[in-house]
Amino acid sequence: GAVVSQHPSRVICKSGTSVKIECRSLDFQATTMFWYRQFPKQSLMLMATSNEGSKATYEQGVEKDKFLINHASLTLSTLTVTSAHPEDSSFYICSAGPPRLAGSDTQYFGPGTRLTVL
Amino acid sequence: DQQVKQNSPSLSVQEGRISILNCDYTNSMFDYFLWYKKYPAEGPTFLISISSIKDKNEDGRFTVFLNKSAKHLSLHIVPSQPGDSAVYFCAASAGAGGTSYGKLTFGQGTILTVHP
Repeated sequence: GAVVSQHPSRVICKSGTSVKIECRSLDFQATTMFWYRQFPKQSLMLMATSNEGSKATYEQGVEKDKFLINHASLTLSTLTVTSAHPEDSSFYICSAGPPRLAGSDTQYFGPGTRLTVL
Repeated sequence: DQQVKQNSPSLSVQEGRISILNCDYTNSMFDYFLWYKKYPAEGPTFLISISSIKDKNEDGRFTVFLNKSAKHLSLHIVPSQPGDSAVYFCAASAGAGGTSYGKLTFGQGTILTVHP
């Protein structure tokens, strides 16, 4: 399957600081990438859709000024958690899919980033 | 509003036997369904998928069945192996034929434990 990487895998920061997470598609170009978060023992919740060359679209209840998304190239999307607080501590995961095939919508996920805000 | 539901939080199976994981959905717009396997602190790993135009898809030990009228799908793993122990997520998309390409809605997950 396609390969998606994330960096860093783990980050610990102080409250009030900003943290940037990178998501890369390694063997295909992705005009669209997706950012999810997962709280302990819960499901993955879609946060936003990252669109190459245009603004991200956010799911209801997700603060766009809090979670800044930049999709500057066809292989890289970044999520910046601004002024992080302890309640932002979570597991953040990105996904991307190869160019769309008719009748298919398989997404591949990065390994995730564990954010801990002290 | 939980559009994708996995009602069994956990499942325990003996090695060599069949594991059956179930998933129900409510949104009629979903046209593509996927199963992912996930370990703690890792991203989901794609296992198998099925389009709404099919009722069965098989890949090695994994088979997914789709019953559109019942809005139900299941993942069969046979024979089950201890290495299959993980959390299994069902996911659905309304994008295979539409404009929501890539947006997945996940179930809550089922913890599968395969005992030697």
